Amino acid sequence: ETGVTQTPRHLVMGMTNKKSLKCEQHLGHNAMYWYKQSAKKPLELMFVYSLEERVENNSVPSRFSPECPNSSHLFLHLHTLQPEDSALYLCASSPSSSGVGTQYFGPGTRLLVL
Amino acid sequence: AQSVTQPDIHITVSEGASLELRCNYSYGATPYLFWYVQSPGQGLQLLLKYFSGDTLVQGIKGFEAEFKRSQSSFNLRKPSVHWSDAAEYFCAVGARTGANNLFFGTGTRLTVIP
Repeated sequence: ETGVTQTPRHLVMGMTNKKSLKCEQHLGHNAMYWYKQSAKKPLELMFVYSLEERVENNSVPSRFSPECPNSSHLFLHLHTLQPEDSALYLCASSPSSSGVGTQYFGPGTRLLVL
Repeated sequence: AQSVTQPDIHITVSEGASLELRCNYSYGATPYLFWYVQSPGQGLQLLLKYFSGDTLVQGIKGFEAEFKRSQSSFNLRKPSVHWSDAAEYFCAVGARTGANNLFFGTGTRLTVIP
């Protein structure tokens, strides 16, 4: 399998649930990203990982907890979310987290918080 | 501060007609420039990118874009639109140095009518 994959593709959860989003890249890249895509708003960068170390956290609420166990896998752990967190969550990877580098995106997880 | 403006929220064109999607950016230096396309329910697919050299860049699916430094623009064009081009199009800018963070516009939704 090639490219960037994300599971699940759709997720419905209550505000008290705990769930995790998974992202896997098969491109041999060293950097991985989580973005949030809400209607009528630009993509919002949430987290950046480089070689499994978090290099950026864009003031994301603590109810979102990322994890990068290796350079191929990235998780986003979710707990006590709010309805306004409903959005499409996109994972991306790039050769490096600095300088030149095209980001390649996965298909996203559509999240609905009830 | 970096910003990307896509002034057209929604564009409708007839199949076979030409297309131009506008993108203007605000950046402290010459950025890297990207166009991505997103089909319904999908992630972002890279159409083309400009790093340096020839200011007219060719991409996939018959798209091209021209970087005009004097106008801070990177407009996307296609001479003849196909029904399968209906999607949302995002312009993005990235830094040449430092963190590989992309700043996205709000997107332009393209509708193609027979």
